Amino acid sequence: KNEVEQSPQNLTAQEGEFITINCSYSVGISALHWLQQHPGGGIVSLFMLSSGKKKHGRLIATINIQEKHSSLHITASHPRDSAVYICAVRRNTGNQFYFGTGTSLTVIP
Amino acid sequence: DVKVTQSSRYLVKRTGEKVFLECVQDMDHENMFWYRQDPGLGLRLIYFSYDVKMKEKGDIPEGYSVSREKKERFSLILESASTNQTSMYLCASSLSGLAGGRWGNEQFFGPGTRLTVL
Repeated sequence: KNEVEQSPQNLTAQEGEFITINCSYSVGISALHWLQQHPGGGIVSLFMLSSGKKKHGRLIATINIQEKHSSLHITASHPRDSAVYICAVRRNTGNQFYFGTGTSLTVIP
Repeated sequence: DVKVTQSSRYLVKRTGEKVFLECVQDMDHENMFWYRQDPGLGLRLIYFSYDVKMKEKGDIPEGYSVSREKKERFSLILESASTNQTSMYLCASSLSGLAGGRWGNEQFFGPGTRLTVL
């Protein structure tokens, strides 16, 4: 069983749609990260969360520590948002970092 | 801006060769990481380092070693490359600090090295 599960694995949306990607984890954490990886490109950190909600432009990330769940929302989606979105958690004991397998998002014009 | 660079974007090696992957960061980060990324498996931590000459094993250290002689440089070594080490290798760095503990801080990733072992 993976410590971090993401859903959906693949997502196709029309330009302008509101998008939600979900992340559930099974371990106690001190921080959760949302990462973005474009095809052939490196990985960019979008958010680091330990509680509540953060917003950068059209991206919003929320976390519910009690439910061990986080969501990444994209408002007014655009084709340039097409990428793989990865959820990662840092365990609150030891030094482990666990990654989800990613959600591949395609936004069609 | 933080910059993390990796020595090669693409690398092709033969089974049994010794392979060096180099990573350099220019922001004086204490922590550096090596991951491999495979389809359907996500990123998996190979080794990390929280200071010069300090290293700790990640989830999949077998077949790999690392070297950190200078703060800005973290090398991943495949002593005898095998075909199952064909993968995308990603280096990352982060600050140490109190917020979220040592490993809670934002990681900055390099562009990745796609290694093929024939």
